[in-house]
This record gives sequence, structure tokens and C-alpha cells, in this order.
Amino acid sequence: AQTVTQSQPEMSVQEAETVTLSCTYDTSESDYYLFWYKQPPSRQMILVIRQEAYKQQNATENRFSVNFQKAAKSFSLKISDSQLGDAAMYFCAYRSAQLGNEKLTFGTGTRLTIIP
Amino acid sequence: NAGVTQTPKFRVLKTGQSMTLLCAQDMNHEYMYWYRQDPGMGLRLIHYSVGEGTTAKGEVPDGYNVSRLKKQNFLLGLESAAPSQTSVYFCASSYGPLNTEQYFGPGTRLTVT
Repeated sequence: AQTVTQSQPEMSVQEAETVTLSCTYDTSESDYYLFWYKQPPSRQMILVIRQEAYKQQNATENRFSVNFQKAAKSFSLKISDSQLGDAAMYFCAYRSAQLGNEKLTFGTGTRLTIIP
Repeated sequence: NAGVTQTPKFRVLKTGQSMTLLCAQDMNHEYMYWYRQDPGMGLRLIHYSVGEGTTAKGEVPDGYNVSRLKKQNFLLGLESAAPSQTSVYFCASSYGPLNTEQYFGPGTRLTVT
């Protein structure tokens, strides 16, 4: 069974600075997908960024980028130029590429605080 | 376009009572999911559906039943609620499997006393 570990329950960063959230995962599969979701106080889960394991290039979405290290099974999220609206819980998630194995496996989350 | 909506937003039940949570999506998505979120844990999949008339068990299905009679709706039922089912429940939908994005509803906070 796959597991996802987020070892930082809480992080804080000064506004406009850069912060990196860590995520590691355990799997025996070679093909899979990884995601970062944001959950603000409104509780709505919002997809931030996704990465296909077969792609070597790290995904980027505006101020959000990932450092995907497949051999190390590491998938960290970097947020540049942090903004007050980035304050939220961030969840890392894993999904198998096998049809019929549909579930997302989530980590326990990292609460990010932005200091004005 | 409302996206994914959930009814109700909050509910308090007594142990042994039953209830149904309704999830509706207007994006013509094939796949729908029910998750629960507990403090200190990520979301865990309860049941999911890959199309109208189909359902499948997820990671934590015990104590819940689901039905997908219409493509746009996915119902989660608790036949005899227990305090262990106190949680926040999220519904999600997607076009299909694999790397397609799952769109989440706003959640239902359920308390069982």
C-alpha cells in the first residue's frame, strides 16, 4: 500500500519570501501521479499543482513549483513570493496510474502561516 | 456553473440515527468520490463511482452506503450513525481516472453524539 508522509505539521514564512513544504511517499509502482492540494479556512480543497511520475521536468504553476526526486521518492512544493492568501493547509497526495486503483492517498498536511 | 455542491453543510445526529448526504455536480463528470477528513489526518476515500449505476469501496467503507442513480448525483448514507463517524465529509468529481483533476465540494461537518 502506498503511504504519503508530510513531516512538517506547521510552517511559517514572511510575506514575499520563499517557503518549501516537504513530502515523501512510499510505493513500489513506477508510474503514478503526485498532487499538492490547498485547503484554506473555507475548507474547499483546491488543486495547486500536479506531477506525472514519467516526466522528468518539474511542474510549475506561476509562483508554485515542485522538486520531484523520483529515486528519493520526494515531492516538495516551493512557494515563491508568498502572499497572505497562501495561508492554508497544504496536502500532498499520491495516485496510482493503474486503472481500477482510483484513490488519492493523502498526507496529513502542513499548516502554512504567512507573517505580514 | 455551481461545480460540486453538498447538502447539508452541517448536521448533528444522535447515535443510531440515519441520514443521507447529497453530492451534486454539474460538470458532466463520470467519476465521483466520497472522502472523510479527521483531525491530524489527510482525506480518506470512503466510496467512489466510475459512472452512473456503479459504486466501489474505498479505503474506509464500513458503516456507509452509497448510490449513484443519476450521473450528476452521488449519495452517501449512514444507516446507524456512530460517534466514530464524526468527521468532515467531502465529495469530489472528475472527468475520469488517473491524472485528471478532482474537483471538491465545500464539505459537510457531521457530529454524532
